[in-house]
Amino acid sequence: QQQVKQSPQSLIVQKGGISIINCAYENTAFDYFPWYQQFPGKGPALLIAIRPDVSEKKEGRFTISFNKSAKQFSLHIMDSQPGDSATYFCAAGSTVTSGTYKYIFGTGTRLKVLA
Amino acid sequence: KAGVTQTPRYLIKTRGQQVTLSCSPISGHRSVSWYQQTPGQGLQFLFEYFSETQRNKGNFPGRFSGRQFSNSRSEMNVSTLELGDSALYLCASSYRLAGNTDTQYFGPGTRLTVL
Repeated sequence: QQQVKQSPQSLIVQKGGISIINCAYENTAFDYFPWYQQFPGKGPALLIAIRPDVSEKKEGRFTISFNKSAKQFSLHIMDSQPGDSATYFCAAGSTVTSGTYKYIFGTGTRLKVLA
Repeated sequence: KAGVTQTPRYLIKTRGQQVTLSCSPISGHRSVSWYQQTPGQGLQFLFEYFSETQRNKGNFPGRFSGRQFSNSRSEMNVSTLELGDSALYLCASSYRLAGNTDTQYFGPGTRLTVL
């Protein structure tokens, strides 16, 4: 119940295309859903995040779509560029019994954008 | 503000040895979480420290331990290293308001190789 399932594992997109990465969860206690971008040799960097009270959030070329009833959320990268080639992680956060906050991460999607 | 810093960036150890990794959070951040990242398992939560107290713990053996100092800097220790401990160890810091969602910011990681 604590898992976050991410797909696809890898993705190849042509420059200018749309990259779509999906995540699904089961625990309805999750209330914060960030996406991270990680380049080789670097730590994950926060890209965009959403809370379940909105269905969509857009920041530049990056959009999160959130479907609360289906317990799914996705990252859309519009006009994908070679510089977007990286590994993307979704995550879900919730308050745990100790009163603190905990994140569960998806397994990552390796995106390659062809020039 | 300076980001999360981790030292050392690279480590090579042999089986049976122990290792200590260090993390300095963003100034003002009181929560430090540690993650193990491997190609097959993604980001696995190790533990979180807040105000020098361990608040959350993942499913790792007791060989993995940590602590946090009064200045919020944190160390992670792995004793009796095994080959399977080879991974990128990531530290993430957040401000952590009690009971609230809180964005985590990751450091560049320490690449540990166990021979």
